[in-house]
Amino acid sequence: DQQVKQNSPSLSVQEGRISILNCDYTNSMFDYFLWYKKYPAEGPTFLISISSIKDKNEDGRFTVFLNKSAKHLSLHIVPSQPGDSAVYFCAASAGSNSGYALNFGKGTSLLVTP
Amino acid sequence: KAGVTQTPRYLIKTRGQQVTLSCSPISGHRSVSWYQQTPGQGLQFLFEYFSETQRNKGNFPGRFSGRQFSNSRSEMNVSTLELGDSALYLCASSPTTGQLEAFFGQGTRLTVV
Repeated sequence: DQQVKQNSPSLSVQEGRISILNCDYTNSMFDYFLWYKKYPAEGPTFLISISSIKDKNEDGRFTVFLNKSAKHLSLHIVPSQPGDSAVYFCAASAGSNSGYALNFGKGTSLLVTP
Repeated sequence: KAGVTQTPRYLIKTRGQQVTLSCSPISGHRSVSWYQQTPGQGLQFLFEYFSETQRNKGNFPGRFSGRQFSNSRSEMNVSTLELGDSALYLCASSPTTGQLEAFFGQGTRLTVV
């Protein structure tokens, strides 16, 4: 049963514009959320995270928004760059309640075109 | 500082065989987690080891097992391989258990024929 869902398998954005990647979750015990980026032939790389006590976390061009009532989070990339082209995974954890296991979505493939 | 190293990178096995994959975490990291990535299911948690003890296990059959050594290196074993076990197996390390911003290796691509 997929508890973390990324309903858009792919997204194409022009360089310089905003990329918005979405993620929905079903488990109300999740209290920590992360985004990972994955290039082909490489392992996922941690990008940004947010705790359930916040609704926004910003790191340079990357901002994650959390809407707990809607069980929804999104990753905004502004401005998008061609080097951002990768697969982005949303992940969630219920902390010690689940032994800190990460539940991943299936990923969204982002293509940033020049 | 060297990253997470997984060996081998690629592996082809026959159905019914068993396989052992290895993961060397970043120096100083004591927590190692294993994930299976398939096109249909995405990334799924297998288990986590910390201080040579399995701390948590995902929803996988008992054919999947692992262990961690005193130097924090970890191995995972899959016995009686099935075609559906073909996947990318990823190892992630972090300094301690409970730290979710983990560092992933490049993975071992297992193909079962």
